Amino acid sequence: AQKVTQAQTEISVVEKEDVTLDCVYETRDTTYYLFWYKQPPSGELVFLIRRNSFDEQNEISGRYSWNFQKSTSSFNFTITASQVVDSAVYFCALSDLGLVNKLSFGAGTTVTVRA
Amino acid sequence: GAVVSQHPSRVICKSGTSVKIECRSLDFQATTMFWYRQFPKQSLMLMATSNEGSKATYEQGVEKDKFLINHASLTLSTLTVTSAHPEDSSFYICSARAPGGALSYEQYFGPGTRLTVT
Repeated sequence: AQKVTQAQTEISVVEKEDVTLDCVYETRDTTYYLFWYKQPPSGELVFLIRRNSFDEQNEISGRYSWNFQKSTSSFNFTITASQVVDSAVYFCALSDLGLVNKLSFGAGTTVTVRA
Repeated sequence: GAVVSQHPSRVICKSGTSVKIECRSLDFQATTMFWYRQFPKQSLMLMATSNEGSKATYEQGVEKDKFLINHASLTLSTLTVTSAHPEDSSFYICSARAPGGALSYEQYFGPGTRLTVT
């Protein structure tokens, strides 16, 4: 069974602060994909990143960065110099590499960035 | 590319009636579509996996007779909530798996449909 844990329910920061979202996963598969999605108040999911289990390199995209640590089964997400527009619910998700590729979502972390 | 639409975006229906939600892949063919339900301040829960031309596979605890899924074409899947009750009020989101077979792991999400049952 697959499980994704996002222990932080809510995080509130002041604009320009950095914020790190934790994601810990459990899977019996040796190969899998990890994802981060953003869900703004409008409700539509926005894809942020996909990382496969073969690749433990960290990734940076603008103000976003991701730290994948296979040894601790974690895939953390950092927003640098946060902005009000970053306010949203962020979901970490896990998918197997089988024929179906069902996504298992974490509970989500609500990020509020105050001006 | 890889756009998924849902219709309607919002729907209000009376208890006991049925409502149909459409999910369309606009610029690609999707052999597999997924239906999720999201209650307020909760995560997305997979309801069922829809495969074109075959019966949907429902997750444990999801009533297949209540949530009818039809995937009649490679670009359209529908979810019908039959005899809706207030507890069915939720945000329903579909996703479509991009072409490429088992090597394509990308799911593209629709904008969601907010169902309110009065």
